[in-house]
Amino acid sequence: DAGITQSPRYKITETGRQVTLMCHQTWSHSYMFWYRQDLGHGLRLIYYSAAADITDKGEVPDGYVVSRSKTENFPLTLESATRSQTSVYFCATEYSRSGRDTQYFGPGTRLTVL
Amino acid sequence: ILNVEQSPQSLHVQEGDSTNFTCSFPSSNFYALHWYRWETAKSPEALFVMTLNGDEKKKGRISATLNTKEGYSYLYIKGSQPEDSATYLCAYSYSSASKIIFGSGTRLSIRP
Repeated sequence: DAGITQSPRYKITETGRQVTLMCHQTWSHSYMFWYRQDLGHGLRLIYYSAAADITDKGEVPDGYVVSRSKTENFPLTLESATRSQTSVYFCATEYSRSGRDTQYFGPGTRLTVL
Repeated sequence: ILNVEQSPQSLHVQEGDSTNFTCSFPSSNFYALHWYRWETAKSPEALFVMTLNGDEKKKGRISATLNTKEGYSYLYIKGSQPEDSATYLCAYSYSSASKIIFGSGTRLSIRP
C-alpha cells in the first residue's frame, strides 16, 4: 500500500517556467493539503481540498494553482516559477476535516528555482 | 492572526538526559493540539492528538501534557537517545472546520 506519493522528488527549474508537482494517495481520504517548508516558518499551507472539485486557499497561495478532478490526485502548479518558490513541498491527506484527525504526509518534493 | 509558537527553536541534549519543550497557542479558542515528529530528510509523522484540558499522552519515552486554559502544551522526552534527534512540530486547530496551524518546530539534537 503506497499511501501518499509525490513526484518528482527533486526538480530544478528556471525562473518563469511552469512546474507541476504531483501528489497521489491510495487511501481515498477526503482532504488533501499542500504545504511548503520554509526556514523559520515550519510548514505553511498553500492550498487544500475538501473533495474532488473543491479547493480553497491557505496561508500562502499566491503564485500557485491547484486542481482536484479525482479524489486521489492533487497536483500543484507553479504558473511562473520564482526564486522565492525554492522550497520543499509536502502533500498531506486527512481522512475527514474534524480538526482532530491526523494528517499523513508524503515524502516531499525538493524544488529549486534558478 | 493565530500564532502557534514553539520554544526553544533548537536544543542540544546529552544522550541519556531528559528534556522538554513548549508549544504555545491561543487559549481563547481551542479544539485540538497535535504533535508531530519530523526526522531530517523524511516527512512529519504524528505523535499525539490532544483535545481536553489536562490531557496527558504517552508513547514510549515521549509524553505530552496539555493546558488549554493557559494555552500551552509540553512535550517531554525521557532518557534521550540518538534516534530522538528530529524536529518536533506542534499544530493547533480552533474548531472542527478550521485548518490546523503549525508552529515552526523545535529542532532537537542528541549528543552521544
